[in-house]
Amino acid sequence: GAGVSQTPSNKVTEKGKYVELRCDPISGHTALYWYRQSLGQGPEFLIYFQGTGAADDSGLPNDRFFAVRPEGSVSTLKIQRTERGDSAVYLCASSLGWRGATNEQFFGPGTRLTVL
Amino acid sequence: KNQVEQSPQSLIILEGKNCTLQCNYTVSPFSNLRWYKQDTGRGPVSLTIMTFSENTKSNGRYTATLDADTKQSSLHITASQLSDSASYICVVSCSRDRNSGNTPLVFGKGTRLSVIA
Repeated sequence: GAGVSQTPSNKVTEKGKYVELRCDPISGHTALYWYRQSLGQGPEFLIYFQGTGAADDSGLPNDRFFAVRPEGSVSTLKIQRTERGDSAVYLCASSLGWRGATNEQFFGPGTRLTVL
Repeated sequence: KNQVEQSPQSLIILEGKNCTLQCNYTVSPFSNLRWYKQDTGRGPVSLTIMTFSENTKSNGRYTATLDADTKQSSLHITASQLSDSASYICVVSCSRDRNSGNTPLVFGKGTRLSVIA
């Protein structure tokens, strides 16, 4: 079975532009997470979906960031008016959600975003 | 404030040698502690997960320990291989939030391990 996939693997954009990053979770995983990882740092939580709804978006840094998961599977992270400080690797993870005490998250390879 | 501190920041060892990575945390309420391996340009991959009642868990040449009283964990790598070169990230999970269902993960910055021939 395929793991979590993310596209594109790399994205270079200019300051002020709009970008969309896509995540395909493992089939059957109801929980989906977005993280941001800056160079030399651990991943930083952005948003968590349970099914179609954003159950916890407390990690989104500001209103330029938005994410959707309309059918409870694929998710898109959207960044408006990108800034140079948005440059990072954006990681997506999925898990079975409510089932299992450990709720292990499986990570995708990430999308490296560079804002010039 | 929930924090996870790892040491050393980086480490270089010879192939075949053992090493131990350290993790201290101040996370509450604690649910479980995980060690992840992250190769350059890849997403993190889980090595071990330990709950409050477990004090050691092995996965091949990787052995993790947990002392919930002192809030410390270690990851011991035995007979290192060149392919062990990666960042090793300690991650502590908080208990599930009753409203959102989220189980927040608090990540350390990782230890960058380089194994050389």
